[in-house]
Amino acid sequence: AQSVTQPDIHITVSEGASLELRCNYSYGATPYLFWYVQSPGQGLQLLLKYFSGDTLVQGIKGFEAEFKRSQSSFNLRKPSVHWSDAAEYFCAVAQSYNQGGKLIFGQGTELSVKP
Amino acid sequence: DVKVTQSSRYLVKRTGEKVFLECVQDMDHENMFWYRQDPGLGLRLIYFSYDVKMKEKGDIPEGYSVSREKKERFSLILESASTNQTSMYLCASSIAGQGPYNEQFFGPGTRLTVL
Repeated sequence: AQSVTQPDIHITVSEGASLELRCNYSYGATPYLFWYVQSPGQGLQLLLKYFSGDTLVQGIKGFEAEFKRSQSSFNLRKPSVHWSDAAEYFCAVAQSYNQGGKLIFGQGTELSVKP
Repeated sequence: DVKVTQSSRYLVKRTGEKVFLECVQDMDHENMFWYRQDPGLGLRLIYFSYDVKMKEKGDIPEGYSVSREKKERFSLILESASTNQTSMYLCASSIAGQGPYNEQFFGPGTRLTVL
């Protein structure tokens, strides 16, 4: 069965430091991958997505993610974190031939930012 | 821009009450979804619908039902609310299609408390 694992439940970084959030997926065929962010009390907003081509994907708010098929990973990165990046981050995968448009979400990683 | 709205941001109900959560999207999307979000468990799919009057069970349908009479509206129904249904409920929509079209657009969520 397809699955998505975010190994880190909670991460704390200092403002201005770099960030990497991990995501591993389990899926045999070509996956379609997404990162979403949820600010406190809000719905989810798409940060970026990967479905083909360049394995380094740029998103909004200065985020990027790299697809590594050999490691079944799609880690999210940001070179310099801002206090406003404190939120919960979700990785998700869609099947290549997906009826109904379902996504499988990871458990989420909560990011705290120290001043 | 896609807009997904949910009828209430906060809702307090009593055990045994029938509860309706409403979701409306304004972009003519075919697919609509209801999730519940609990700490440490991420997003879990309750029901989804890929067309008017069509519905399919997600991962945790027990205790819930849904209704989709019009394309833009997808309702989640708790027939007899129980305290273990206290949670954040998120509605989402997406267009029909595969892969990158599976990007889902989320509403702001309804935080339901059952006393």
